[in-house]
Amino acid sequence: QSALTQPASVSGSPGQSITISCTGVKSNVGNYNLVSWYQQHPDKAPKLIIYESNKRPSGISDRFSASKSGNTASLTISGLQAEDEADYYCCSYAGSSTLVFGGGTKLTVV
Amino acid sequence: QVQLVESGGGVVQPGGSLRLSCAASGFTFNKSAMYWVRQAPGKGLEWMTVLSYDGNNQYYADSVKGRFTISRDNSTNTLYLQMNSLRVEDTAVYFCARDVRQSPARYCSQGVCHYYYYGMDVWGQGTTVTVS
Repeated sequence: QSALTQPASVSGSPGQSITISCTGVKSNVGNYNLVSWYQQHPDKAPKLIIYESNKRPSGISDRFSASKSGNTASLTISGLQAEDEADYYCCSYAGSSTLVFGGGTKLTVV
Repeated sequence: QVQLVESGGGVVQPGGSLRLSCAASGFTFNKSAMYWVRQAPGKGLEWMTVLSYDGNNQYYADSVKGRFTISRDNSTNTLYLQMNSLRVEDTAVYFCARDVRQSPARYCSQGVCHYYYYGMDVWGQGTTVTVS
């Protein structure tokens, strides 16, 4: 149950696009289209922004998109806004009814 | 509205026990798989356990297997986490969450059947557990 690998931090300017990667292995990210992404602001509960690798829940801006290739999933945020500054976590189904999170990425909007 | 509210956190000595509760409202609880996820101070999210909508399948992260037990009471729309043999490293905010899908697909492998789990769309506000 090793954690998925995410960059510790990324940054971007308002209006720009950024991409956060999430690297797993064949037994988790590589084998299932069941990657989810979460946004977490300080001292708040996480918020689901992507599920089943590329689906957005109702109410989530289309500035958030995601994809998966092989053992790596990616979250792209376009048209960066100040309120996008937060921690982002990926999570994947890992087989046998288990899940695994990434270590998290701190997004700074400079 | 759709809501999860955790309770039961507190300060406990190493080796002690604690039971967390998560009260669900605003949705059909008995059709939803439920999770417990924790976050140690200054750290990332850690999946701990999941319980199928019918309560028949429960799985745990290695870090809590054998010490923690997830359960649910569909008659009162409540999820529980019984935590025994607590360690200092169990200090964290504990969140309950709901799976985004109400009709999970099921598969069987080597005589054991599992559900797929799709993402956590509703979260509680969290309850803090301090082991010290």
